Amino acid sequence: DTEVTQTPKHLVMGMTNKKSLKCEQHMGHRAMYWYKQKAKKPPELMFVYSYEKLSINESVPSRFSPECPNSSLLNLHLHALQPEDSALYLCASSQVGGGAGTDTQYFGPGTRLTVL
Amino acid sequence: EDQVTQSPEALRLQEGESSSLNCSYTVSGLRGLFWYRQDPGKGPEFLFTLYSAGEEKEKERLKATLTKKESFLHITAPKPEDSATYLCAVRIGATGRRALTFGSGTRLQVQP
Repeated sequence: DTEVTQTPKHLVMGMTNKKSLKCEQHMGHRAMYWYKQKAKKPPELMFVYSYEKLSINESVPSRFSPECPNSSLLNLHLHALQPEDSALYLCASSQVGGGAGTDTQYFGPGTRLTVL
Repeated sequence: EDQVTQSPEALRLQEGESSSLNCSYTVSGLRGLFWYRQDPGKGPEFLFTLYSAGEEKEKERLKATLTKKESFLHITAPKPEDSATYLCAVRIGATGRRALTFGSGTRLQVQP
């Protein structure tokens, strides 16, 4: 099974709201990722967690706050977002280390976020 | 600077008309080249991983190949259900750098 689940599928929020995106995988992967994708653009990396520790933050504004409570879950907390933050937010996971073929990233279906 | 470039940007084929998509890269320390398929509003679906020049992988009507400078995704006798955006991504060898760098994608439309 190579399934990554994300909730909610769609989210509409105002600029003063606080909301969270959730991601879950049960493949035993120890690396998890958040990507942001605007329409007709490729995914752009936001954060990487490796063994539940933040290893990469691509200079993302502090209104996006990631959290990895355990090896299966990844959250993205949102507050004071701007309309330009509207996008498809993708979660992915992969193994860590190992030989060739073990580091493929598997993506979830995404959360479509609209900021009014 | 590491770069990944896909061409063409968009491709329209008739059903059964075979073609190839290109992904060229200029990166230092390639640790893998990945092909994904993405349908509108959905997450990328993994297709292939290639690690070394000369490597080839096949799945149904798709075949991916890799050289030292580029990768091709060959589509043989495509069907309308193959219509999607095809994304190429590379993982470079920087220590601890697990992230993928994506090309801009090729939007494929297969007409019946």
